[in-house]
This record gives sequence, structure tokens and C-alpha cells, in this order.
Amino acid sequence: GNSVTQMEGPVTLSEEAFLTINCTYTATGYPSLFWYVQYPGEGLQLLLKATKADDKGSNKGFEATYRKETTSFHLEKGSVQVSDSAVYFCALSNYNFNKFYFGSGTKLNVKP
Amino acid sequence: DTGVSQDPRHKITKRGQNVTFRCDPISEHNRLYWYRQTLGQGPEFLTYFQNEAQLEKSRLLSDRFSAERPKGSFSTLEIQRTEQGDSAMYLCASSSRPASGPYNEQFFGPGTRLTVL
Repeated sequence: GNSVTQMEGPVTLSEEAFLTINCTYTATGYPSLFWYVQYPGEGLQLLLKATKADDKGSNKGFEATYRKETTSFHLEKGSVQVSDSAVYFCALSNYNFNKFYFGSGTKLNVKP
Repeated sequence: DTGVSQDPRHKITKRGQNVTFRCDPISEHNRLYWYRQTLGQGPEFLTYFQNEAQLEKSRLLSDRFSAERPKGSFSTLEIQRTEQGDSAMYLCASSSRPASGPYNEQFFGPGTRLTVL
């Protein structure tokens, strides 16, 4: 079946530190991979996506590369800001995009 | 484009009561999805519609749950005889298919938080 596993939080970093949030997946077929972000009191927003192996998604300084050989889609950012404090969800969708499978979320706290 | 909206944002009810939530998708999005999110977990798929047709339902959607999208626009999710275990955030999302290529990202609403006492 399909599932997503991401590192447990919370992750606490100082401003300008390097961020990695690990995400691995199990899927049948050729899924698309996503990172969503949820700021306090708001709905989920798409952060970035990758639809095939070796694709790199990027947005707002965040990056993630679709690694089929390691079934991973780790989220990275070179220098985090206080405004990046949120909960980050890794997700995959099947080929038909009719269902998303989400990880349990990783809360990021960035201190000034 | 005002995004996906959900109403109400919060609902407190007593065990055994019925509740109904509404979702208004982004206009012209023909797919609409419902998810449930419990504290500390990611969203779990419940069901989805393509236009007015309900095409898939999760086993999480017990007989007490029913969803409709009668005109292919807004959708309602009803929970009958609520139980304390139904307490969760209920999320709605919508998506569309571009002129070329498959369906893609889902756009989420802010959710309806249900508390069953």
C-alpha cells in the first residue's frame, strides 16, 4: 500500500541554521511527492512538489529531491527564518491524484 | 479567487447529535475531497467527488458519515449520532485538471474543528 513516514518533531533551530526534515515513502506505481506547510491557525498550503524520479521541487528557499532508489523526499533549507515556524507535512499521491497520503507532520520552531 | 472555504470553523456538539459541515471549493474545480485530521497526525482521506459523482470512500467513512455534492459545486459532510471519537479537524480540498496534463495539487480549506462532548 501507500504510506509516508516523516521524522518526529518538534525540531527547534536557531535563525539561519540549516534545516533537514526527513521523509520516506512506500508506494505502488509511480507516485508524485509533495511538501505541505501549515502555519498556526491556517489551512495546509502547498510548499513544493515533484512528479517523477530525480525531479527537484523548490520554493521560498526550500528544496526536496525525489529519490526513487532510497524512496525519500527530504526537505531542506539552507537558512531558516523565524517566519518558517510551522508544521510541515510530506505527502504522496497516486497516479490519478485522487487521493493523498500524508505523513504525521513535523513541527518546526525557529528561535531568533 | 477566494480559495476553499469551510463553514462552520468550529462546532461543539453533544454525543448523539447530528452535525453537518459545508465546503465551497475554488470555483471551476471539479474535484472535491474530504479529509479528517486528528491532533498530532496528518490528514486522512475520507472521500472525493468528481463533479457530482462520489467516486471513492475510505473505510474510515462509517455508515454514520455521508457526503454529498448535489450540483457539482459545494459539498456537505454529515455525521449522524456523533461519538467522542469523531472529534477532529475536518478538511476539504479541491483540485482541477489543467488543459494539458493530469490533475495536480490539492488546495485546502481552513478546516472545521469538531468537538464532541
